Amino acid sequence: QKEVEQDPGPLSVPEGAIVSLNCTYSNSAFQYFMWYRQYSRKGPELLMYTYSSGNKEDGRFTAQVDKSSKYISLFIRDSQPSDSATYLCAMVIYGNNRLAFGKGNQVVVIP
Amino acid sequence: DAGVIQSPRHEVTEMGQEVTLRCKPISGHDYLFWYRQTMMRGLELLIYFNNNVPIDDSGMPEDRFSAKMPNASFSTLKIQPSEPRDSAVYFCASSLGTGNQPQHFGDGTRLSIL
Repeated sequence: QKEVEQDPGPLSVPEGAIVSLNCTYSNSAFQYFMWYRQYSRKGPELLMYTYSSGNKEDGRFTAQVDKSSKYISLFIRDSQPSDSATYLCAMVIYGNNRLAFGKGNQVVVIP
Repeated sequence: DAGVIQSPRHEVTEMGQEVTLRCKPISGHDYLFWYRQTMMRGLELLIYFNNNVPIDDSGMPEDRFSAKMPNASFSTLKIQPSEPRDSAVYFCASSLGTGNQPQHFGDGTRLSIL
């Protein structure tokens, strides 16, 4: 079983819709959880970062962590065409430097 | 501020040739990471350095791959000899401090081995 599972299936939504992405993981030692956004032909850039269970909001983005279920989510409200990108979840054990990435979800927001 | 700079952006070469990928991390960052990204396997960590010293190379696929960091502002990833299955996008990233610090990625080198 891969450490981090993220269904890589592409997701197309109309502009203004809510986008919901999620990852599951198997290693309960993961303590820091991140979402990276990757535009086409660019490197990943950190979008959100959290270390506790619960929700964290940043503008239109909400990251949710449920450590008991080993499940994390990213929600994008009022999605815009500029949100069209691949979103990768990542997580790491405290003091470790090996980020474990999901495969990424390609999101297309249709105007 | 300049971000992580990688060169070349694209590389097309024939099987058996030596390939050298280059990376300049963000000034002041003490960690440098090399990743490979493919559709099948996603983003995989190959090796990382701390203060120019290789710390974990367990992700390097085989002896054909080698990485060096001769100084704080430069690193190379070399493949010799190259094979078609090495075709991928190779990313370099750098960070300041340990794992919970964000890693800043370059825009990658798109490598095609014919």
